[in-house]
Amino acid sequence: DQQVKQNSPSLSVQEGRISILNCDYTNSMFDYFLWYKKYPAEGPTFLISISSIKDKNEDGRFTVFLNKSAKHLSLHIVPSQPGDSAVYFCAASRGDTGNQFYFGTGTSLTVIP
Amino acid sequence: GAVVSQHPSRVICKSGTSVKIECRSLDFQATTMFWYRQFPKQSLMLMATSNEGSKATYEQGVEKDKFLINHASLTLSTLTVTSAHPEDSSFYICSARGGGTDSYEQYFGPGTRLTVT
Repeated sequence: DQQVKQNSPSLSVQEGRISILNCDYTNSMFDYFLWYKKYPAEGPTFLISISSIKDKNEDGRFTVFLNKSAKHLSLHIVPSQPGDSAVYFCAASRGDTGNQFYFGTGTSLTVIP
Repeated sequence: GAVVSQHPSRVICKSGTSVKIECRSLDFQATTMFWYRQFPKQSLMLMATSNEGSKATYEQGVEKDKFLINHASLTLSTLTVTSAHPEDSSFYICSARGGGTDSYEQYFGPGTRLTVT
């Protein structure tokens, strides 16, 4: 049962434009969300996170938006750069269980120079 | 930032042999370590959670006798794939989390590519 879903397996964006990656979840108990970036044959690296008490968190070119009522979060990258080309995973966890993260299936972003 | 290493990065072994993968937190104490497996074009699947000094908690469907996890210290966890078979070939990734109830963030190792021939 996939509790975190990324319905777009791939996305191509022109350099300088905005990249929007989407993530949906089913468990209303999730209260902490993260985005990870992953290059082939490497481990994921943390990108940005958001707590359920917020609806937006911004860090440089990266902004994460959370819509709790829709159980949806999105990652905006602006402006997109070729070095952003990677697979992006969203992950969610519950505060009461703390340990376990549920990952989406990933979206492969290609930024075209 | 926090650094997690894995060794080896790649390993090829023959069917029936055992392989040990090490996961180390280099600059922080990891009270909890996680082992994931990633199949091609699929999400990271949590295999088990280990807390230092206690037995690992395995996810449903993961054979604990086949995937032995030891978290002997606050900086080292090992995953041993026993009697490996070709279907165990995969990319194994560990992550580590520091102490404190607010410490949600996990730091991932670079992964280990296991190929069983």
